[in-house]
Amino acid sequence: GAVVSQHPSWVICKSGTSVKIECRSLDFQATTMFWYRQFPKQSLMLMATSNEGSKATYEQGVEKDKFLINHASLTLSTLTVTSAHPEDSSFYICSARIDRPTEAFFGQGTRLTVV
Amino acid sequence: GQNIDQPTEMTATEGAIVQINCTYQTSGFNGLFWYQQHAGEAPTFLSYNVLDGLEEKGRFSSFLSRSKGYSYLLLKELQMKDSASYLCAVMDSNYQLIWGAGTKLIIKP
Repeated sequence: GAVVSQHPSWVICKSGTSVKIECRSLDFQATTMFWYRQFPKQSLMLMATSNEGSKATYEQGVEKDKFLINHASLTLSTLTVTSAHPEDSSFYICSARIDRPTEAFFGQGTRLTVV
Repeated sequence: GQNIDQPTEMTATEGAIVQINCTYQTSGFNGLFWYQQHAGEAPTFLSYNVLDGLEEKGRFSSFLSRSKGYSYLLLKELQMKDSASYLCAVMDSNYQLIWGAGTKLIIKP
């Protein structure tokens, strides 16, 4: 099946610094990539949807200046958490879709801890 | 609004059968997905239903009734490794996935 690679799998950073998370589709070209965050014992919360070459569409309540998404190619999307704070500590998961309607292929997730 | 309902938690015994229900109300329908998620890991795909009826895949089966806005995931011959959260998700008319909160399944020996 299709493989989505997310890196890093975990990161600890100091409050006020920025963290970049990469999401790559390894063996297919993803028309759309999604970024989710998931707090413990809660479901996935969609943060934004990105299409290659265009600006990401953010969900209500998600600060686009804080969570920068770049979808530079059909195989790579990045999420940068700028000026991270402890409340940004969460599990961030990307997923990619080849076309609609198909399943979403998920990356391994990134556990972000801001200290 | 859009809504996906599934039980918060279920408990079953190893070797038994369990059915996890999911009801939905969404703006349009382009399929229903079931995912399995172990703690601390990303979800993994289990099944996709877009037509009414039962889809069987090994120990797992998924059923859909579009007229009732209802689906279930059936797990047979339960194994301890099946302990996980099971997420129901519906693809709406905009091809966006609407996620349920997940059902935590606890398997007891």
